[in-house]
Amino acid sequence: EPEVTQTPSHQVTQMGQEVILRCVPISNHLYFYWYRQILGQKVEFLVSFYNNEISEKSEIFDDQFSVERPDGSNFTLKIRSTKLEDSAMYFCASSGLFETQYFGPGTRLLVL
Amino acid sequence: SQKIEQNSEALNIQEGKTATLTCNYTNYSPAYLQWYRQDPGRGPVFLLLIRENEKEKRKERLKVTFDTTLKQSLFHITASQPADSATYLCALPHASKIIFGSGTRLSIRP
Repeated sequence: EPEVTQTPSHQVTQMGQEVILRCVPISNHLYFYWYRQILGQKVEFLVSFYNNEISEKSEIFDDQFSVERPDGSNFTLKIRSTKLEDSAMYFCASSGLFETQYFGPGTRLLVL
Repeated sequence: SQKIEQNSEALNIQEGKTATLTCNYTNYSPAYLQWYRQDPGRGPVFLLLIRENEKEKRKERLKVTFDTTLKQSLFHITASQPADSATYLCALPHASKIIFGSGTRLSIRP
């Protein structure tokens, strides 16, 4: 069964450094998303992406964040200058139609 | 603004019993509602989707109801097993995203 994959599974970085989180969505899906989950809290929406542009973004998704689909398979989330409060689990998701979203296993980001 | 409440943070039941989880929402009229399962350190896994014109949906031991008048969904797991232990998330669509509830952590004791 096709699945969403994410790399790396864990990332440790110093405050102020740039990180890129990578995702390979399910191959025939058209909609792509990033969510995050701070430890012990709910899953929060960051951004949705369709047809090579952002469809919607949350208040969390400020100028330090960007997304890109550099080729036909990868979908990346970049955090330009990480802050301590960016430490969280980051989930990529994709969907064919607008309904069911399929989530990857996540990247655990720790900012020191 | 839209609000989703899963009124039990944790639920602990005996194996073999039926687990019932509740999801309430306000300021919202969703076309459908979804339930996901999340295991520790893992991503949410889609379980069921129920549309506003459906009262009930079943999948194996899972049953979901959707009452748009009460603005409530109930999620049932019958003949519960220890392997059903996880956090269950109610989720509603809004524009191009999903809004998740905070989840109910279900523990099934043998």
